[in-house]
Amino acid sequence: SQQGEEDPQALSIQEGENATMNCSYKTSINNLQWYRQNSGRGLVHLILIRSNEREKHSGRLRVTLDTSKKSSSLLITASRAADTASYFCAAYTGTASKLTFGTGTRLQVTL
Amino acid sequence: EAGVVQSPRYKIIEKKQPVAFWCNPISGHNTLYWYLQNLGQGPELLIRYENEEAVDDSQLPKDRFSAERLKGVDSTLKIQPAELGDSAVYLCASRGGRGSNTGELFFGEGSRLTVL
Repeated sequence: SQQGEEDPQALSIQEGENATMNCSYKTSINNLQWYRQNSGRGLVHLILIRSNEREKHSGRLRVTLDTSKKSSSLLITASRAADTASYFCAAYTGTASKLTFGTGTRLQVTL
Repeated sequence: EAGVVQSPRYKIIEKKQPVAFWCNPISGHNTLYWYLQNLGQGPELLIRYENEEAVDDSQLPKDRFSAERLKGVDSTLKIQPAELGDSAVYLCASRGGRGSNTGELFFGEGSRLTVL
């Protein structure tokens, strides 16, 4: 079962524009993570935000977390063609070390 | 530091045949995961190991799937017999971090299975 639902399912932008993708989840979380997956490759961890944090930055990435709405967003600023990939949110829930992934957003950045 | 290594990267078999996937996690990582990823979907957990113990295998279809992690290091996932619906990517991931059970996962490149 998927923990998160991501929106939009697909996003196409031009290089230099900002890309925003959203994740909604169902239950209370310990932390929320974002991963990136290039076509035909494994997932790579991007950033982690704890349940008591509201915003976090890493380079061109900005993540926000709203636990009252059970939602998170990932903003990629000044996108590049190399950012083309699928992006997944994932969350640990409860006491188990089980990381559950969302359905993903496919980002296409064109020149 | 070597990453998570999986093999084979690609496997094509006919239905009802057996298949096995191998994973070598990052050295020192006690937690190992096998995920299933269907096309256009997020990974779904099949089984999680803490050292050599399978602590969460509730999503593993035990009639045809089996897994083992001997000596708490590398792991094998087996399907016997394979069905058409098993065509997917099988991802292995590991996690380290003593004292923390909510850290990031490190993924291998995956094993893509096609069942004909």
